[in-house]
Amino acid sequence: QKEVEQDPGPLSVPEGAIVSLNCTYSNSAFQYFMWYRQYSRKGPELLMYTYSSGNKEDGRFTAQVDKSSKYISLFIRDSQPSDSATYLCAMTRSGAGSYQLTFGKGTKLSVIP
Amino acid sequence: GAVVSQHPSRVICKSGTSVKIECRSLDFQATTMFWYRQFPKQSLMLMATSNEGSKATYEQGVEKDKFLINHASLTLSTLTVTSAHPEDSSFYICSATPRAGQGNTIYFGEGSWLTVV
Repeated sequence: QKEVEQDPGPLSVPEGAIVSLNCTYSNSAFQYFMWYRQYSRKGPELLMYTYSSGNKEDGRFTAQVDKSSKYISLFIRDSQPSDSATYLCAMTRSGAGSYQLTFGKGTKLSVIP
Repeated sequence: GAVVSQHPSRVICKSGTSVKIECRSLDFQATTMFWYRQFPKQSLMLMATSNEGSKATYEQGVEKDKFLINHASLTLSTLTVTSAHPEDSSFYICSATPRAGQGNTIYFGEGSWLTVV
């Protein structure tokens, strides 16, 4: 079993839809969770960074962490065509001193106008 | 905000030659930089961890003699792909973390596309 599982998609939604992206993980040592957005042929861009179970909201984006279930989600409200990208979840075992990320495979999202 | 710059963004080289990719932190000092490789439709795979002033730590399966990493200063790490082969063609991305007290986020470079012909 891989440490981080993420459905690669592709996921196609109409503009304005709510998008739900998810990752599961197997190692309870992961404590810090991130979501990155990667446009084609570009480096990843950090969207959200969370470390506790619960929800964290930033504009149209909400990150949700459930450590008991080892499950994280990213919700995108009022999705826009510009949100079309690959979304990668990532996590680390420690937030300070060790920044080695373990990534999911990424989910390719297309928002259709 | 913090910026990590990679150069070149795209390079084509002949099989058997070496190519160097630079990763610079532009407005912070990075004690640790990471090098990733990403094949098409795959996730980022960590190749090595680069610490300023010391030898890089390579992940299992990554040839340290083939992928030379130098982290000579707090703002620059280089990855040299030696004796490149077509199977080394990939997207190489670096990330950097600010030294203690300068931030708590991981910043990625824009990536470098390597094509070996």
